[in-house]
Amino acid sequence: GEDVEQSLFLSVREGDSSVINCTYTDSSSTYLYWYKQEPGAGLQLLTYIFSNMDMKQDQRLTVLLNKKDKHLSLRIADTQTGDSAIYFCAERGYNNDMRFGAGTRLTVKP
Amino acid sequence: GAVVSQHPSWVICKSGTSVKIECRSLDFQATTMFWYRQFPKQSLMLMATSNEGSKATYEQGVEKDKFLINHASLTLSTLTVTSAHPEDSSFYICSASRVSSYNEQFFGPGTRLTVL
Repeated sequence: GEDVEQSLFLSVREGDSSVINCTYTDSSSTYLYWYKQEPGAGLQLLTYIFSNMDMKQDQRLTVLLNKKDKHLSLRIADTQTGDSAIYFCAERGYNNDMRFGAGTRLTVKP
Repeated sequence: GAVVSQHPSWVICKSGTSVKIECRSLDFQATTMFWYRQFPKQSLMLMATSNEGSKATYEQGVEKDKFLINHASLTLSTLTVTSAHPEDSSFYICSASRVSSYNEQFFGPGTRLTVL
């Protein structure tokens, strides 16, 4: 099974907040990332958080990290139709490898 | 900065032929390059990690003789799918890592391979 787990689908209305959740298993993870993938395209790094932080805010994006529960979330404020995409959570392990979740497909309805 | 390109962006080939995919870091030197494969509606699966001038390290289950990786310089890595079969059809994504404060990986746009 996946080392990094995410729910597969999320649907929200335009203007609402979206919260995408992720759980990981490697307690030695150094960095955790959120990537966005639009159809047919590669991954675009949205934001990252170092494992000794518990929150990071970047414009409309807020990342929360609960290291005790190995839980990571991405909140997108004022979600727009252009935010519709697949969002991948990823962890970087101590040996520098990366493990990805299966991705959460965010659909934003007008 | 930190742009990674892949070529070609898509390729269609006949079964049994070999296909080479290039991954280039355009404005930085990549100490390490990674090759991923993504099946439809699934996550990325790391195939191999390559460091310039040394042999690639393959993940378990990835056939090194089928997926040849060459990392000849700090800006170029190639993945050759040898004797391609329809089950090799997939989206292949490379990433390049540079030494930085958080060792981020920069991803290429991906190459869609379709084997007929």
